[in-house]
Amino acid sequence: EAQVTQNPRYLITVTGKKLTVTCSQNMNHEYMSWYRQDPGLGLRQIYYSMNVEVTDKGDVPEGYKVSRKEKRNFPLILESPSPNQTSLYFCASSLSLFRSTPDTQYFGPGTRLTVL
Amino acid sequence: GQNIDQPTEMTATEGAIVQINCTYQTSGFNGLFWYQQHAGEAPTFLSYNVLDGLEEKGRFSSFLSRSKGYSYLLLKELQMKDSASYLCAVRLQLPGNTPLVFGKGTRLSVIA
Repeated sequence: EAQVTQNPRYLITVTGKKLTVTCSQNMNHEYMSWYRQDPGLGLRQIYYSMNVEVTDKGDVPEGYKVSRKEKRNFPLILESPSPNQTSLYFCASSLSLFRSTPDTQYFGPGTRLTVL
Repeated sequence: GQNIDQPTEMTATEGAIVQINCTYQTSGFNGLFWYQQHAGEAPTFLSYNVLDGLEEKGRFSSFLSRSKGYSYLLLKELQMKDSASYLCAVRLQLPGNTPLVFGKGTRLSVIA
C-alpha cells in the first residue's frame, strides 16, 4: 500500500531535549517536505527536499534541521526543542515538483508534539 | 510575500450547495490545489487547476481565474461527512520561492 509514515504519532517532551521525527515513503517519490500546522496559522512549510542530498528551507525553518540521505526517508530534527515548537507536524511527498500534471502530495498521518 | 485568503468558517445545510472562495496574490503561479482535512487528520487531495476554467469531479468542482487571482471550490449535495476544513494551496514557480503555499483553511460545518 502506497503511504507516508511518521513516527512517533504523539510525543510529549521537555525543553532542550533533542528529538527526531521520522518520515518514510514507499512510492519512490523525489519530493518530500515537512509542515507544521497551528490554529489560525494554517499549514506552513518548514523544509523541503527535491531529491537525495538536496534540501531547502521553507517559510519557518528556524529551530529545525532535516537530512535526506536516502530517497525514502526525510527525518525532522529538533536539536533543542522549545515550547513554541508545540504543534502538529505533517510530512508529505510527491513524485516530483517539475511535472506538468497535477502532482498530488501525499501526507503522513501527523505527529502531535508538545514541548513543556 | 505570498498571500492566500479564504473565509475562516462557513456553515451550510445538508443537501445544499456551498462555494468556498480563495483569492491569492503570489509571486509566480504554477497551479492551485484544494485539499480536504478532517479534524486531527492529514489533508487529502481534492482537485488541481492550472488553466482557467472549471474542473468537475463528482460532487466537487473547482474553478480558477488566473487573471483575477481567484479560485473557488463548489460542493454539491452536501453530506454530514463533508464537515471538514478545506485548504487552498498555490504552487509557486522555482527557484526563489517555497514550492507550495497554503491558505489558512476554511472550516465548513454541515448541519441537518
